[in-house]
Amino acid sequence: DQQVKQNSPSLSVQEGRISILNCDYTNSMFDYFLWYKKYPAEGPTFLISISSIKDKNEDGRFTVFLNKSAKHLSLHIVPSQPGDSAVYFCAASGVSGYALNFGKGTSLLVTP
Amino acid sequence: DTAVSQTPKYLVTQMGNDKSIKCEQNLGHDTMYWYKQDSKKFLKIMFSYNNKELIINETVPNRFSPKSPDKAHLNLHINSLELGDSAVYFCASSLITGSQETQYFGPGTRLLVL
Repeated sequence: DQQVKQNSPSLSVQEGRISILNCDYTNSMFDYFLWYKKYPAEGPTFLISISSIKDKNEDGRFTVFLNKSAKHLSLHIVPSQPGDSAVYFCAASGVSGYALNFGKGTSLLVTP
Repeated sequence: DTAVSQTPKYLVTQMGNDKSIKCEQNLGHDTMYWYKQDSKKFLKIMFSYNNKELIINETVPNRFSPKSPDKAHLNLHINSLELGDSAVYFCASSLITGSQETQYFGPGTRLLVL
């Protein structure tokens, strides 16, 4: 049963514009949310996280927004750069021994 | 200075064989994990160890046996490999076991069972 969902398998954005990646979850017990970036043939790389007690966390060009009532989070990348092209995974933890529950990923392509 | 390393990176083997994948972290973390990414690209937890003790064991066939000789290492041994075991296996670690802990991943081991 998939508890974390990324409904957009892919997204294409022009360089310099904003990229918005979305994620929905079903388990209200999740209390920590993370975004990972993954290049082909590499492991997921931690990008940014947010605790359930916050609704926004910002780190440079990356901002994560959390809407607990809607069980929705989003990752904003501004401005988008070609090097941001990768697969982005949303993950949540707080249950099941703190294992990460991952979404299926969104493939972001930033075009020059 | 790789934080979480795995060997081998690629593993091609025949059905029925036994194989091991090694993982080491130099971050001083207490907790290590094994995840499997299947053909549909889902990343799913398999096992978690905290300071050499098993804390998570998802519904994984008992042909899979994790072994943690010390808290910096978590190896995965697979007996009697099957075609369905073909996947990418990722090791990860976190400072402690608990919520609000970020997990750091290794580069993955691509296993192909023929």
